[in-house]
Amino acid sequence: EVQLVETGGGWIQPGGSLRLSCAASGFTISSNYMTWVRQAPGKGLEWVSVIYSDGTTYYADSVKGRFTVSRHTSQNMLYVQMNSLSAEDTAVYYCARVDSGNEGYMDVWGKGTTVTVSS
Amino acid sequence: EIVMTQSPATLSVSPGERATLSCRASQSIGSDLAWYQQKPGQAPRLLIYAASTRARDIPARISGSGSGTEFTLTITSLQSEDFAVYYCQQYNNWPTWTFGQGTKVEIK
Repeated sequence: EVQLVETGGGWIQPGGSLRLSCAASGFTISSNYMTWVRQAPGKGLEWVSVIYSDGTTYYADSVKGRFTVSRHTSQNMLYVQMNSLSAEDTAVYYCARVDSGNEGYMDVWGKGTTVTVSS
Repeated sequence: EIVMTQSPATLSVSPGERATLSCRASQSIGSDLAWYQQKPGQAPRLLIYAASTRARDIPARISGSGSGTEFTLTITSLQSEDFAVYYCQQYNNWPTWTFGQGTKVEIK
């Protein structure tokens, strides 16, 4: 079964750092484009970052310079390192797979992990 | 950035009736549009891609149409499991993906 499971969320003070993880099963992360998408409380979906199969990464302007996406190929894990966190980063963070044909839609989503940034 | 605008924000529909949701792109995106369903406390679920292609296991009562800048998601004969929030997403201009703000389909 194709599945994504995010972990690592929690409460963090403004200015702090947190690393989220996403464990994949049923497919190989390194063969796919993998994204992080977040959803602030009561709000819509916001794309955060992507890592291509060749390792190229892109970020939304709102997180550029603060977030870093990476992966561990042998463990089939995706990560996002989040630094200099602010209240505006409070959200549920989802990892999602871009479709295998790389057309661009997201066909598999994890259940998400919640990040709360507050003093 | 391509801005996606959904309407209405909330749609009140009786079970068994038809729901029509709209999504407009700020510039032409061809057919590079997906629809997702999200229920409370759950992750988004892919319903439609390429504007009109149903994803795996999506029932035929859910359909998508449109191209360019105007898109529609139609759900005929609404079932209890269809009451949720629906998001459109463009993938014409990635790696900058953008979503609409969502349409909540609620029970009338």
